[in-house]
Amino acid sequence: EAAVTQSPRSKVAVTGGKVTLSCHQTNNHDYMYWYRQDTGHGLRLIHYSYVADSTEKGDIPDGYKASRPSQENFSLILELASLSQTAVYFCASSAWGGGDQDTQYFGPGTRLLVL
Amino acid sequence: GQQVQQSPTSLVLQEGENAELQCNFSTSLNSMQWFYQRPGGSLISVFYNPSGTKQSGRLTSTTVIKERRSSLHISSSQITDSGTYLCAMGRTSSGQKLVFGQGTILKVYL
Repeated sequence: EAAVTQSPRSKVAVTGGKVTLSCHQTNNHDYMYWYRQDTGHGLRLIHYSYVADSTEKGDIPDGYKASRPSQENFSLILELASLSQTAVYFCASSAWGGGDQDTQYFGPGTRLLVL
Repeated sequence: GQQVQQSPTSLVLQEGENAELQCNFSTSLNSMQWFYQRPGGSLISVFYNPSGTKQSGRLTSTTVIKERRSSLHISSSQITDSGTYLCAMGRTSSGQKLVFGQGTILKVYL
């Protein structure tokens, strides 16, 4: 069974502070993703990566950085947290190759509250 | 504009009734996935279905690319089916940069 874990599971941060969200997968997947979900909205892609030491911008990258130090780990960094970044953040991973292999497996989510 | 539109926004059913959830997309796609999410929970893949019809138990997904739509049919709904169903469109042939719909909230009662 695919396994994606996230830490922390919840966090309270202060405006202007730095926040790092971590994601770890044991699926041996090449692709990893960071999404945010806001109340009443679907998920939106922030950053993704298809190989270690490389990241790509998603649809809403402003205010976020990403880091992929290894195949298993993918971090999302908020250098200067803002109130608008309060949301639930999901990490996901997928294989490469097309078809059912592109199915994305999601972590449990991190609830971030910026005050 | 919104590339993926889901309908209805919410749906309330009595146990045993059938549900039909719709997903319409405004651009061409390479894949379509359906996910299930419990309140406060993570997303679980229900179907990867870029075209045609797939069935798994009481769930059936049909994607018609030419008509830019996908549907999820739930037969004989159960209380445990309650939650949010999200469809997501993949814009690339692999790697799957997904664009999500806003979801359909399903509530099933006795």
